[in-house]
Amino acid sequence: DAGVIQSPRHEVTEMGQEVTLRCKPISGHDYLFWYRQTMMRGLELLIYFNNNVPIDDSGMPEDRFSAKMPNASFSTLKIQPSEPRDSAVYFCASNDPRRIENNYGYTFGSGTRLTVV
Amino acid sequence: GQQLNQSPQSMFIQEGEDVSMNCTSSSIFNTWLWYKQDPGEGPVLLIALYKAGELTSNGRLTAQFGITRKDSFLNISASIPSDVGIYFCAGPGNSGTYKYIFGTGTRLKVLA
Repeated sequence: DAGVIQSPRHEVTEMGQEVTLRCKPISGHDYLFWYRQTMMRGLELLIYFNNNVPIDDSGMPEDRFSAKMPNASFSTLKIQPSEPRDSAVYFCASNDPRRIENNYGYTFGSGTRLTVV
Repeated sequence: GQQLNQSPQSMFIQEGEDVSMNCTSSSIFNTWLWYKQDPGEGPVLLIALYKAGELTSNGRLTAQFGITRKDSFLNISASIPSDVGIYFCAGPGNSGTYKYIFGTGTRLKVLA
């Protein structure tokens, strides 16, 4: 299993530009989560999906942030327009809590380090 | 909202020493997870706990689910340089959901 795959690994963009982060969950996992990590706020849950449907987006900071999951193997997190305070590491994670070996823990991707200048 | 506080925030230890860290919650949890994050990578699950008082080991790591259900503890025995990283506790944001919140983290540095 290739694990959760995120792209790009690093993104540097100018303020005001649109940024799209991508995630491919582990095959068969029907939960997908987007987290943001900063020094100040730690790991924050932004949104999560179950069977491609957004369940809780209460962590999405502003309307500038949007997330989609058009199918079971792909999700995007978009920021438009981007601002310097959006600079952070964005993680995608997936899980299938029905599988005992998952132990109810998520599998995280390696993250996308976003820098907005 | 729910908060998970970890202590210590960071620690330097000598190789071979044992390490202890803890996590406290403002509310009762029915599951506790412990993750480790290596530099430049995502967190990786180390241990999952499901019952108050439960003690679970994974190699040199041992974690305990506090009997009050508001805390958990992680111990690392005979630390080695590759133990360096950030250790996070996590618990379900609301009972019955898969929305996990993460603690503030304990940053561990091991001096060879």
